[in-house]
Amino acid sequence: EAGVTQSPTHLIKTRGQQATLRCSPISGHTSVYWYQQALGLGLQFLLWYDEGEERNRGNFPPRFSGRQFPNYSSELNVNALELEDSALYLCASSLGRALAGGVTNEKLFFGSGTQLSVL
Amino acid sequence: AQKITQTQPGMFVQEKEAVTLDCTYDTSDPSYGLFWYKQPSSGEMIFLIYQGSYDQQNATEGRYSLNFQKARKSANLVISASQLGDSAMYFCAMREPTGNQFYFGTGTSLTVIP
Repeated sequence: EAGVTQSPTHLIKTRGQQATLRCSPISGHTSVYWYQQALGLGLQFLLWYDEGEERNRGNFPPRFSGRQFPNYSSELNVNALELEDSALYLCASSLGRALAGGVTNEKLFFGSGTQLSVL
Repeated sequence: AQKITQTQPGMFVQEKEAVTLDCTYDTSDPSYGLFWYKQPSSGEMIFLIYQGSYDQQNATEGRYSLNFQKARKSANLVISASQLGDSAMYFCAMREPTGNQFYFGTGTSLTVIP
């Protein structure tokens, strides 16, 4: 069974450009989470999608946006890139609220990440 | 208030010794799950161990055990017989089932010294 896949592995952009990162969850998972991890730092929660809808977002400006498609894959878009957007972007998936609501042991499965470098 | 607090930015341990990584959490939900993940320098997040709030016994997975003290709201990870390959970042996380929310701590960088 395929795990969470992210593409591209590396992405190099210049300041002011737009970046699009993609994530395919594990089959059967309807929840997708996005995290930003700057070098040497912890995970900063970006966005959470479940069954096609945005359920929660972290403390990031509106130029960070995304969507979830009918097949539950997800896209993270970062507009007007700034140097400080350089980071590892991790996607994770889990069973969605419909199946996992009330359950505590449903863990997150992570992809290998997209390393975004803004020059 | 922080949901997950990891107060040790960096830790060192001698090879073959045991080490404890601290984690405290904050929730008013009686039902929750606690997780530890390992992140090597390659970047992938590896699930290590899980503890449910209603579990009577501390969770164990091989060399990993979770010292769960519910009244203190702590969930410390204990790694026994440390190996060089244990050098990595370690993240504590909590899942609140209402809303399917996950919360992560800031991580602890563990270095195993030969």
